[in-house]
Amino acid sequence: DIQMTQSPSSLSASVGDRVIITCRASQNIKTFLNWYQQKPGKAPNLLIHNAITLQSGVPSRFGGSGSGTVFTLTISSLQPEDFATYYCQQSYSKRTFGQGTKVEIK
Amino acid sequence: EVQLVESGGGVVRPGGSLRLSCEGSGFTFEDYAMNWVRQAPGKGLEWVSGINWHGSRAGYADSMKGRLTISRDNARNSLYLEMNSLRAEDTALYYCARDGGEQFGMDVWGQGTPVTVSS
Repeated sequence: DIQMTQSPSSLSASVGDRVIITCRASQNIKTFLNWYQQKPGKAPNLLIHNAITLQSGVPSRFGGSGSGTVFTLTISSLQPEDFATYYCQQSYSKRTFGQGTKVEIK
Repeated sequence: EVQLVESGGGVVRPGGSLRLSCEGSGFTFEDYAMNWVRQAPGKGLEWVSGINWHGSRAGYADSMKGRLTISRDNARNSLYLEMNSLRAEDTALYYCARDGGEQFGMDVWGQGTPVTVSS
């Protein structure tokens, strides 16, 4: 199975900060990379698919980039509702999630 | 409203079996691949299994391969997961999720059904 590694595992940030989360794949997955947000007690919510495409209804402060083995999720100006855990997931071969990045209030 | 509703979770003894179900509504179920994803208490998301729209092709996580069977009944808008030889480490909330394909991600999720493996 393809392994997905996120960094950092957690971070503390303030409202208005720019936040960058990195996801690395164990092999080339082209752009078959998706990002999800999960809040406590809730199901995950798809933010970005195919590495760069914003899911309908997701605010434009979220952005994705990358291809091959290295990908990033950027939140340009962190808002109070963005404090959550974020997961990357590959869809190149079967499916695999990263271990998650918890974004906490500083 | 597009919706997925899981059922069938519960408490089972180690070595036991369980069958989970997921019913879709508000969309054409047979147009989509489907997945099972689990989350152990306080842990991250783990893809468990997926099946194509027709039910002819299935995939399983290496960690659970041989103990799972995924299936679907498009006439009933339903997805299933048969789990055997359950272990304590299989304790988790099990979600079903709609899969738009390689380029589109899992865009619809159910609320999850809890599975507890304990003696």
